[in-house]
Amino acid sequence: DTQMTQSPSTLSASVGDRVTITCRASQSSGRLLAWYQQKPGKAPTLLIYKASLLESGVPSRFSGSGSGTEFTLTIASLQPDDFATYYCLQSFTYPYTFGQGTKVEIK
Amino acid sequence: EVQLVESGGGFVQPGGSLRLSCAASGFTLSSYSMDWFRQAPGKGLEWIAYISSTASTIYYTDSVKGRFTISRDTAKNSLYLQMNSLRDEDTAVYYCAKEKAGPPTIEEWGQGTLVTVSS
Repeated sequence: DTQMTQSPSTLSASVGDRVTITCRASQSSGRLLAWYQQKPGKAPTLLIYKASLLESGVPSRFSGSGSGTEFTLTIASLQPDDFATYYCLQSFTYPYTFGQGTKVEIK
Repeated sequence: EVQLVESGGGFVQPGGSLRLSCAASGFTLSSYSMDWFRQAPGKGLEWIAYISSTASTIYYTDSVKGRFTISRDTAKNSLYLQMNSLRDEDTAVYYCAKEKAGPPTIEEWGQGTLVTVSS
């Protein structure tokens, strides 16, 4: 199985901060890596797919990069609505596997 | 508008069975691959099952193989998860999800249904 190591597990930041979350895969995931945002009690929502493509309707302050085994999600200027938990998901090989999640908290 | 609505969750004793349903609207189930995921209370997300658009390919995560069965009814445009021999560790919110056409990407999620396994 492909292990996804996501860091940090918790991140304290202020509105307006630039935030970066990293996922490292134990083996190549090509570019089949997506990022999701999840708020308490809600289903995840897709932000970025194929490592760097912005899902329709997602604000442009979100961006993704990387390929192979290292991927990054960047929020250019954190907004109040962005305080949530973020997950990466590799869909290059079965079983699909998630990172452990990054909770973005208000500093 | 794409909508996925899960139902069928509830409370069940260890060893029992439940059948989850996922009613799809806004798209034709037979044109897209679909998945089931789950999230234990306070924990991360876990993929558990996949069915291809033609239903010719099915995969499961190891922990549910032989106990869970993914299926669909194209006439009802619905996805199902039959869960047998349930264990305490199967307690979770279960989500159905739709993949994009093309390279696999989970693009839409249902709201989830809670399954609680306890004696």
